[in-house]
Amino acid sequence: QKEVEQDPGPLSVPEGAIVSLNCTYSNSAFQYFMWYRQYSRKGPELLMYTYSSGNKEDGRFTAQVDKSSKYISLFIRDSQPSDSATYLCAMGKTGTASKLTFGTGTRLQVTL
Amino acid sequence: NAGVTQTPKFQVLKTGQSMTLQCAQDMNHNSMYWYRQDPGMGLRLIYYSASEGTTDKGEVPNGYNVSRLNKREFSLRLESAAPSQTSVYFCASKDAPGQGNYGYTFGSGTRLTVV
Repeated sequence: QKEVEQDPGPLSVPEGAIVSLNCTYSNSAFQYFMWYRQYSRKGPELLMYTYSSGNKEDGRFTAQVDKSSKYISLFIRDSQPSDSATYLCAMGKTGTASKLTFGTGTRLQVTL
Repeated sequence: NAGVTQTPKFQVLKTGQSMTLQCAQDMNHNSMYWYRQDPGMGLRLIYYSASEGTTDKGEVPNGYNVSRLNKREFSLRLESAAPSQTSVYFCASKDAPGQGNYGYTFGSGTRLTVV
Protein backbone atom coordinates (compact mmCIF):
# COMPACT_ATOMS: atom_id res chain seq x y z
CA GLN A 1 0.00 0.00 0.00
CA LYS A 2 1.33 3.42 -0.94
CA GLU A 3 1.90 5.93 1.86
CA VAL A 4 -0.07 8.55 -0.10
CA GLU A 5 -3.09 7.73 -2.24
CA GLN A 6 -4.54 10.12 -4.81
CA ASP A 7 -7.23 9.50 -7.41
CA PRO A 8 -5.56 9.94 -10.81
CA GLY A 9 -8.69 11.21 -12.55
CA PRO A 10 -9.04 12.61 -15.10
CA LEU A 11 -11.57 15.00 -13.65
CA SER A 12 -13.51 17.13 -16.12
CA VAL A 13 -15.58 20.09 -14.92
CA PRO A 14 -17.25 23.09 -16.59
CA GLU A 15 -15.83 26.56 -16.14
CA GLY A 16 -17.05 28.15 -12.90
CA ALA A 17 -17.49 24.86 -11.05
CA ILE A 18 -16.10 24.12 -7.60
CA VAL A 19 -13.42 21.45 -7.76
CA SER A 20 -12.49 19.13 -4.91
CA LEU A 21 -9.21 17.22 -5.03
CA ASN A 22 -8.25 14.78 -2.31
CA CYS A 23 -5.47 12.65 -0.90
CA THR A 24 -5.35 10.12 1.88
CA TYR A 25 -2.25 8.99 3.71
CA SER A 26 -1.33 6.21 6.07
CA ASN A 27 1.68 7.53 7.99
CA SER A 28 0.71 9.64 10.98
CA ALA A 29 4.26 11.04 11.10
CA PHE A 30 3.47 13.39 8.21
CA GLN A 31 3.22 16.88 9.67
CA TYR A 32 3.19 19.31 6.77
CA PHE A 33 1.22 19.15 3.59
CA MET A 34 1.45 20.79 0.20
CA TRP A 35 -0.32 21.00 -3.11
CA TYR A 36 1.59 21.41 -6.33
CA ARG A 37 0.24 22.26 -9.77
CA GLN A 38 1.95 20.82 -12.83
CA TYR A 39 1.18 21.97 -16.34
CA SER A 40 1.89 19.61 -19.20
CA ARG A 41 5.63 19.18 -19.86
CA LYS A 42 6.53 21.53 -17.01
CA GLY A 43 7.90 21.11 -13.50
CA PRO A 44 5.55 21.18 -10.49
CA GLU A 45 5.00 24.54 -8.80
CA LEU A 46 3.97 25.04 -5.19
CA LEU A 47 0.35 26.11 -4.79
CA MET A 48 -0.47 25.72 -1.11
CA TYR A 49 1.33 24.81 2.11
CA THR A 50 -0.26 23.86 5.44
CA TYR A 51 1.36 22.69 8.66
CA SER A 52 -1.57 21.82 10.88
CA SER A 53 -5.13 20.60 10.70
CA GLY A 54 -7.65 23.13 9.49
CA ASN A 55 -8.20 25.33 6.46
CA LYS A 56 -5.94 27.73 4.60
CA GLU A 57 -7.26 30.01 1.90
CA ASP A 58 -5.42 31.80 -0.90
CA GLY A 59 -7.63 33.48 -3.47
CA ARG A 60 -9.74 30.85 -5.20
CA PHE A 61 -7.85 28.01 -3.53
CA THR A 62 -8.53 26.45 -0.12
CA ALA A 63 -6.43 23.69 1.40
CA GLN A 64 -7.92 21.56 4.12
CA VAL A 65 -6.14 19.09 6.40
CA ASP A 66 -7.79 16.56 8.71
CA LYS A 67 -5.00 14.76 10.54
CA SER A 68 -7.40 12.62 12.56
CA SER A 69 -8.75 11.12 9.32
CA LYS A 70 -5.40 11.33 7.47
CA TYR A 71 -7.13 13.20 4.68
CA ILE A 72 -6.26 16.39 2.82
CA SER A 73 -8.22 18.34 0.24
CA LEU A 74 -7.77 21.17 -2.20
CA PHE A 75 -10.81 23.17 -3.26
CA ILE A 76 -10.79 25.41 -6.31
CA ARG A 77 -13.65 27.92 -6.57
CA ASP A 78 -14.83 29.47 -9.83
CA SER A 79 -12.59 27.14 -11.82
CA GLN A 80 -11.01 28.53 -14.99
CA PRO A 81 -9.63 26.81 -18.12
CA SER A 82 -6.20 27.98 -16.96
CA ASP A 83 -6.62 25.68 -13.92
CA SER A 84 -6.40 22.67 -16.26
CA ALA A 85 -3.33 20.83 -15.00
CA THR A 86 -2.25 17.92 -12.85
CA TYR A 87 -2.47 18.54 -9.11
CA LEU A 88 -0.05 16.71 -6.84
CA CYS A 89 -0.40 16.42 -3.10
CA ALA A 90 2.81 16.12 -1.11
CA MET A 91 3.63 15.67 2.52
CA GLY A 92 6.64 15.59 4.77
CA LYS A 93 7.91 14.80 8.23
CA THR A 94 10.01 17.10 10.37
CA GLY A 95 13.66 16.25 10.75
CA THR A 96 13.96 14.31 7.49
CA ALA A 97 15.92 16.80 5.39
CA SER A 98 12.61 18.10 4.02
CA LYS A 99 12.04 15.02 1.88
CA LEU A 100 8.55 14.98 0.44
CA THR A 101 6.33 12.04 -0.44
CA PHE A 102 4.08 12.78 -3.39
CA GLY A 103 0.74 11.46 -4.52
CA THR A 104 0.45 10.26 -8.10
CA GLY A 105 -1.44 13.39 -9.15
CA THR A 106 -4.99 14.14 -10.34
CA ARG A 107 -5.43 15.45 -13.86
CA LEU A 108 -8.01 18.26 -14.03
CA GLN A 109 -9.66 19.56 -17.18
CA VAL A 110 -11.80 22.70 -16.97
CA THR A 111 -13.96 23.07 -20.06
CA LEU A 112 -15.56 26.20 -21.52
CA ASN B 1 15.61 34.97 -11.99
CA ALA B 2 16.39 31.53 -13.40
CA GLY B 3 15.51 29.38 -10.35
CA VAL B 4 16.44 25.75 -11.05
CA THR B 5 18.01 24.98 -14.41
CA GLN B 6 18.26 21.44 -15.77
CA THR B 7 20.21 20.28 -18.79
CA PRO B 8 19.64 18.65 -21.16
CA LYS B 9 15.88 18.93 -21.69
CA PHE B 10 15.69 15.79 -23.84
CA GLN B 11 18.00 12.81 -24.29
CA VAL B 12 17.88 9.45 -26.03
CA LEU B 13 20.38 6.84 -24.86
CA LYS B 14 21.15 3.34 -25.94
CA THR B 15 21.12 0.60 -23.32
CA GLY B 16 24.47 0.54 -21.55
CA GLN B 17 25.45 4.12 -22.34
CA SER B 18 26.21 6.57 -19.55
CA MET B 19 25.23 10.18 -19.08
CA THR B 20 25.08 12.93 -16.49
CA LEU B 21 22.06 15.13 -15.88
CA GLN B 22 23.00 18.58 -14.70
CA CYS B 23 21.13 20.77 -12.24
CA ALA B 24 21.96 24.24 -10.97
CA GLN B 25 20.04 26.64 -8.73
CA ASP B 26 20.68 30.33 -8.17
CA MET B 27 18.57 30.83 -5.02
CA ASN B 28 21.29 29.95 -2.49
CA HIS B 29 19.21 26.99 -1.33
CA ASN B 30 20.78 24.44 1.01
CA SER B 31 18.97 21.27 -0.06
CA MET B 32 18.70 19.71 -3.50
CA TYR B 33 16.82 16.66 -4.74
CA TRP B 34 16.49 14.40 -7.76
CA TYR B 35 13.10 12.84 -8.51
CA ARG B 36 11.84 10.71 -11.36
CA GLN B 37 8.25 10.89 -12.57
CA ASP B 38 6.57 7.93 -14.22
CA PRO B 39 2.90 7.47 -15.24
CA GLY B 40 0.88 6.07 -12.35
CA MET B 41 3.87 6.22 -10.00
CA GLY B 42 4.07 9.90 -9.23
CA LEU B 43 7.32 11.55 -8.19
CA ARG B 44 9.82 9.23 -6.53
CA LEU B 45 12.96 10.42 -4.77
CA ILE B 46 16.20 9.09 -6.22
CA TYR B 47 18.86 10.95 -4.20
CA TYR B 48 19.03 14.10 -2.17
CA SER B 49 21.58 16.44 -0.67
CA ALA B 50 20.48 18.08 2.56
CA SER B 51 23.40 20.47 2.46
CA GLU B 52 26.61 21.05 0.55
CA GLY B 53 28.97 18.12 1.07
CA THR B 54 26.29 15.53 1.90
CA THR B 55 24.29 13.13 -0.25
CA ASP B 56 21.86 10.36 0.68
CA LYS B 57 19.80 7.71 -1.04
CA GLY B 58 16.11 8.16 -1.58
CA GLU B 59 13.42 5.67 -2.47
CA VAL B 60 14.79 4.45 -5.83
CA PRO B 61 18.62 4.95 -5.92
CA ASN B 62 19.68 1.79 -7.77
CA GLY B 63 21.44 2.51 -11.06
CA TYR B 64 22.19 6.15 -10.19
CA ASN B 65 24.93 8.18 -8.58
CA VAL B 66 25.01 11.82 -7.59
CA SER B 67 27.53 14.57 -6.93
CA ARG B 68 26.91 17.77 -5.00
CA LEU B 69 29.61 19.76 -6.78
CA ASN B 70 29.05 22.94 -4.76
CA LYS B 71 26.09 24.71 -3.18
CA ARG B 72 24.61 25.55 -6.59
CA GLU B 73 25.05 22.30 -8.51
CA PHE B 74 23.78 18.76 -8.04
CA SER B 75 24.31 16.23 -10.83
CA LEU B 76 22.75 12.81 -11.43
CA ARG B 77 24.72 10.13 -13.29
CA LEU B 78 23.49 7.01 -15.00
CA GLU B 79 26.50 4.71 -15.34
CA SER B 80 24.89 2.06 -17.56
CA ALA B 81 21.46 3.11 -18.74
CA ALA B 82 18.61 0.59 -18.82
CA PRO B 83 15.17 0.87 -20.47
CA SER B 84 13.63 0.92 -16.97
CA GLN B 85 15.30 4.30 -16.48
CA THR B 86 13.18 5.85 -19.21
CA SER B 87 11.44 8.62 -17.31
CA VAL B 88 11.15 12.35 -16.72
CA TYR B 89 13.74 13.52 -14.22
CA PHE B 90 13.20 16.56 -12.04
CA CYS B 91 15.70 18.40 -9.92
CA ALA B 92 14.41 20.50 -7.03
CA SER B 93 15.87 22.73 -4.37
CA LYS B 94 14.71 24.04 -1.02
CA ASP B 95 15.85 26.67 1.43
CA ALA B 96 16.95 25.81 4.96
CA PRO B 97 14.18 25.11 7.52
CA GLY B 98 12.87 28.25 9.13
CA GLN B 99 13.63 30.44 6.14
CA GLY B 100 9.95 30.81 5.31
CA ASN B 101 10.02 29.10 1.94
CA TYR B 102 8.62 25.70 2.71
CA GLY B 103 8.20 24.18 -0.71
CA TYR B 104 10.50 22.89 -3.35
CA THR B 105 11.38 24.84 -6.46
CA PHE B 106 11.48 22.45 -9.39
CA GLY B 107 13.34 22.59 -12.65
CA SER B 108 11.54 22.02 -15.93
CA GLY B 109 12.68 18.41 -16.22
CA THR B 110 14.79 16.16 -18.44
CA ARG B 111 12.92 13.67 -20.62
CA LEU B 112 15.13 10.60 -20.96
CA THR B 113 14.43 7.66 -23.24
CA VAL B 114 16.61 4.55 -23.10
CA VAL B 115 16.29 2.27 -26.12
